[in-house]
Amino acid sequence: GAVVSQHPSRVICKSGTSVKIECRSLDFQATTMFWYRQFPKQSLMLMATSNEGSKATYEQGVEKDKFLINHASLTLSTLTVTSAHPEDSSFYICSARLTSGTEQFFGPGTRLTVL
Amino acid sequence: DAKTTQPPSMDCAEGRAANLPCNHSTISGNEYVYWYRQIHSQGPQYIIHGLKNNETNEMASLIITEDRKSSTLILPHATLRDTAVYYCIVRGLNTGNQFYFGTGTSLTVIP
Repeated sequence: GAVVSQHPSRVICKSGTSVKIECRSLDFQATTMFWYRQFPKQSLMLMATSNEGSKATYEQGVEKDKFLINHASLTLSTLTVTSAHPEDSSFYICSARLTSGTEQFFGPGTRLTVL
Repeated sequence: DAKTTQPPSMDCAEGRAANLPCNHSTISGNEYVYWYRQIHSQGPQYIIHGLKNNETNEMASLIITEDRKSSTLILPHATLRDTAVYYCIVRGLNTGNQFYFGTGTSLTVIP
């Protein structure tokens, strides 16, 4: 089946620093990747849609200058949390959609803790 | 915004069928119903999806009502490893295939 990986799985950083999270589709090409955020005991919230070679589309209320998304190839998208603060601590999950498919395949998630 | 409603929690005895309902009364004619599940601190796992016909795969069965306003996910023989949060999602074709997750149903399989 289609496999999506994320790196790192866990990261702890100091307030004010930037953190980059990678999302890779390992055995398929993904024209579109998605980034979600999940706070404890809550559901997944879509942050942005990332299309290869073009600018990401952000959901309402998500700061594009704070959450930088780059989708430079068909197998890699990155999310950079800039100037992270404790309220950015969350579980960040990416997903990828097959170029010809409809369902999304999710990565294992990245736990970000900002001290 | 999520277009589905699900009960917040359910219990099921191990070995019995788990029937998880979902209401999607505003579904459009060309929108699919997807089911995913999320085990604690992991990414969601695809289970099944359908348009209007009932579907079955190695994991589960999906029963969609004739008016398509609701559906039921059936895990035929629940095991302890099926304990998870189950999400029913209607995919909006006019929003670029984004998935908007609702609150899901927390299923606990009891020994």
